[in-house]
Amino acid sequence: GDSVTQMEGPVTLSEEAFLTINCTYTATGYPSLFWYVQYPGEGLQLLLKATKADDKGSNKGFEATYRKETTSFHLEKGSVQVSDSAVYFCALSDYGNNRLAFGKGNQVVVIP
Amino acid sequence: DAGVTQSPTHLIKTRGQQVTLRCSPKSGHDTVSWYQQALGQGPQFIFQYYEEEERQRGNFPDRFSGHQFPNYSSELNVNALLLGDSALYLCASSRRFSGLAGNSYNEQFFGPGTRLTVL
Repeated sequence: GDSVTQMEGPVTLSEEAFLTINCTYTATGYPSLFWYVQYPGEGLQLLLKATKADDKGSNKGFEATYRKETTSFHLEKGSVQVSDSAVYFCALSDYGNNRLAFGKGNQVVVIP
Repeated sequence: DAGVTQSPTHLIKTRGQQVTLRCSPKSGHDTVSWYQQALGQGPQFIFQYYEEEERQRGNFPDRFSGHQFPNYSSELNVNALLLGDSALYLCASSRRFSGLAGNSYNEQFFGPGTRLTVL
């Protein structure tokens, strides 16, 4: 079935550093791809999405490009802030399905 | 707009008991999905309701059941609780659009979740 793999382990970095979180996927169809963010004690919030190959999703300085050839959707931000500290989840859903498959998530800690 | 709301916020039960969690979708949404998020893991899809019927189901046993009401709100019921059912249960709502190419949905909005602890 469809699945999402995120890089292992938490990510700790200093304020204004460059952030990359890797995400690869396996899907039989042509999925839509998402990044969700979860702040402490809260539910999930959609950060950005891309619905077809080569689409770039962007929001709040975060970007991710749908790469069909490498089945990847890596999340990047050029200069992180302490307020970006959260857990980030990569997810996919097939068209007409609306059923999200999530990766395990990455804890991001930004140190002042 | 209140967004997606869930109740209760926290719940403590013992093994073998039954529990009911509730969800009210965002205004204008007609589809409700439930997810289980174990500690340190990503959410896992349980099932989805539309027009008061279960439309899709993930890999969860029959102990997990649900219901959707005419006002689109939904309940998740878990019977014969196990220690492994301890998790954050998330409800997500969306709106379904039907067209010539099939069904499509807008983005899913998540509620804050219900933290279930089974002792």
